[in-house]
Amino acid sequence: LAKTTQPISMDSYEGQEVNITCSHNNIATNDYITWYQQFPSQGPRFIIQGYKTKVTNEVASLFIPADRKSSTLSLPRVSLSDTAVYYCLVGDPVYGGSQGNLIFGKGTKLSVKP
Amino acid sequence: EAQVTQNPRYLITVTGKKLTVTCSQNMNHEYMSWYRQDPGLGLRQIYYSMNVEVTDKGDVPEGYKVSRKEKRNFPLILESPSPNQTSLYFCASSFKGHGRPSYNEQFFGPGTRLTVL
Repeated sequence: LAKTTQPISMDSYEGQEVNITCSHNNIATNDYITWYQQFPSQGPRFIIQGYKTKVTNEVASLFIPADRKSSTLSLPRVSLSDTAVYYCLVGDPVYGGSQGNLIFGKGTKLSVKP
Repeated sequence: EAQVTQNPRYLITVTGKKLTVTCSQNMNHEYMSWYRQDPGLGLRQIYYSMNVEVTDKGDVPEGYKVSRKEKRNFPLILESPSPNQTSLYFCASSFKGHGRPSYNEQFFGPGTRLTVL
């Protein structure tokens, strides 16, 4: 499974756009990129998933450059309630790894201030 | 309401006293999984199940057992708990779909905080 690197923490202010970048230099051809959000003492929540270019849903956008060695989760106009840990996961949904299961790393702790 | 439920939410027990943490989902998902979360270590998978009567080890299965007799339930069993199993436990489920179901949106339960003295 491709290893991912994310910043350990980020700070932002309400109303700003937040971009969290994840590096995955050894991403394989069949790997997908998935992001989860976790609030304190709650289970992670799926945010978005993509393979290439741009994916957008009602919560966030995911930007993936042509070389796919990184990806950026974009949260528009964050609020205090967006304070959470964000996980970037990379893997092959069909043939990846011994079990093909996603590995949750340590994530990025986003703190949104008023 | 579509959800994954876990019971109990909090449990304090002593070393060696067998316990079971229940997990139930009402979304008719084939795939279910157990994770533990520890400070500085992130989420680690314990066991998973692709369907009824089909279970397999995750990354940290030692000291745990699971069973999948019904599609909706996936209990986690600690036959002889030890202090190093003190942790926050999450159950998750997802539909099977195409490819590996863990890559589909996983729905997580609220968590069970276990303390083993």
